Amino acid sequence: NAGVMQNPRHLVRRRGQEARLRCSPVKGHSHVYWYRQLPEEGLKFMVYLQKENIIDESGMPKERFSAEFPKEGPSILRIQQVVRGDSAAYFCASSRDSAFSGNTIYFGEGSWLTVV
Amino acid sequence: RKEVEQDPGPFNVPEGATVAFNCTYSNSASQSFFWYRQDCRKEPKLLMSVYSSGNEDGRFTAQLNRASQYISLLIRDSKLSDSATYLCVPSSNTGKLIFGQGTTLQVKP
Repeated sequence: NAGVMQNPRHLVRRRGQEARLRCSPVKGHSHVYWYRQLPEEGLKFMVYLQKENIIDESGMPKERFSAEFPKEGPSILRIQQVVRGDSAAYFCASSRDSAFSGNTIYFGEGSWLTVV
Repeated sequence: RKEVEQDPGPFNVPEGATVAFNCTYSNSASQSFFWYRQDCRKEPKLLMSVYSSGNEDGRFTAQLNRASQYISLLIRDSKLSDSATYLCVPSSNTGKLIFGQGTTLQVKP
């Protein structure tokens, strides 16, 4: 997985709690992407960040979800007041430069969120 | 129209067979194209980047037709280990990658 580290790998939350998913990109990569995969479905784009900036958040639900990629530290995907429908695999990916110009993006192993 | 369309399959083929997957994309501004492979409950892994009109890597050949907005992947001499979901991935104007639903391949002994 070329060094993208995600944690926790598995997270169980009760309805109404908060979930925080962390992603450390490959060293030297300043572009981070979050994707969500529901059971038996494809990967859905959520948000694209580049160090301290949100480039594209067109896939993020308007409420309860937020993402950041601070100057120092990992990228965080935060889900407030989780509901059962948030149960999914959340994949983080990173690239050195924009994928638009042909740069490869590498995925982490994912964080599996289960809401009970 | 969906941004990326793939036949979900499954494609069930015997070992040694040649199999081809097709993909169409809607954004004519897409510049970069990739095929990823995803195993069950695993992360997607890059299989190949698609340059110019196409490229070849061992048993795998990818072709791109920009005029028709169509990408294909050909796998020759299929192995049991090729069983996976294959994802067609064009880039978008903003740099994010858009994933199709994927095509599932099952290679049988």
